[in-house]
Amino acid sequence: QVQLQESGPGLVRPSGTLSLTCAVSGGSISSDNWWTWVRQPPGKGLEWIGEIYHRGSTKYNPSLKSRVTISLDKSQNHFSLKLSSVTAADTAVYYCAYYDSRGFFDYWGQGALVTVSS
Amino acid sequence: QSVLTQPPSVSGAPGQRVTISCTGSSSNIGAGYDVHWYQQLPGTAPKLLIYDNNNRPSGVPDRFSGSKSGTSASLAITGLQAEDEADYYCHSYDSSLSGSVFGGGTKVTVL
Repeated sequence: QVQLQESGPGLVRPSGTLSLTCAVSGGSISSDNWWTWVRQPPGKGLEWIGEIYHRGSTKYNPSLKSRVTISLDKSQNHFSLKLSSVTAADTAVYYCAYYDSRGFFDYWGQGALVTVSS
Repeated sequence: QSVLTQPPSVSGAPGQRVTISCTGSSSNIGAGYDVHWYQQLPGTAPKLLIYDNNNRPSGVPDRFSGSKSGTSASLAITGLQAEDEADYYCHSYDSSLSGSVFGGGTKVTVL
């Protein structure tokens, strides 16, 4: 069973860059599927950020595309999220998830709260 | 504003049946893309509850069922239990976005 664990700074200054890593265990990041980031602002719903295929191609939410970069590191079996020019509106719990080829998220990380504040 | 529309809340007494609707459009549910449902207990990550419209992963009680018709889908919970108090989200693929879309979430309260 695939397990995912997010890590990264819990506090980011406004206009800075949010950086998170998702460590994958119990499976290989080189397997034939997509690795995804989803976020959830406090008290609000889920928002798809984007995803990366094991071969490196990416897809991003158009509303965030200009600020988002998702990459993967096969040697470390992890993938990463960078979100630039952050504001308070980017404060959220950020989840990494395994996107099954049938189109659903069947494994999730526990989530990482990132607060944007000076 | 979420691409998929869900009621903010539903409630029911223990043992009752509740349903949660999820309304989309011709670029997602109406285009034939499958709908999936997740349960999120307070302070935890979402958990897959229903996949491909009406299939339950191993371990999910058969009190939970899903259906899909046209541009909408529904999640039904029969024999409501206190442990079912949670937020529920529908999820599908959107061809305009070229990515995943979620409903705004529905809070289920057991009276």
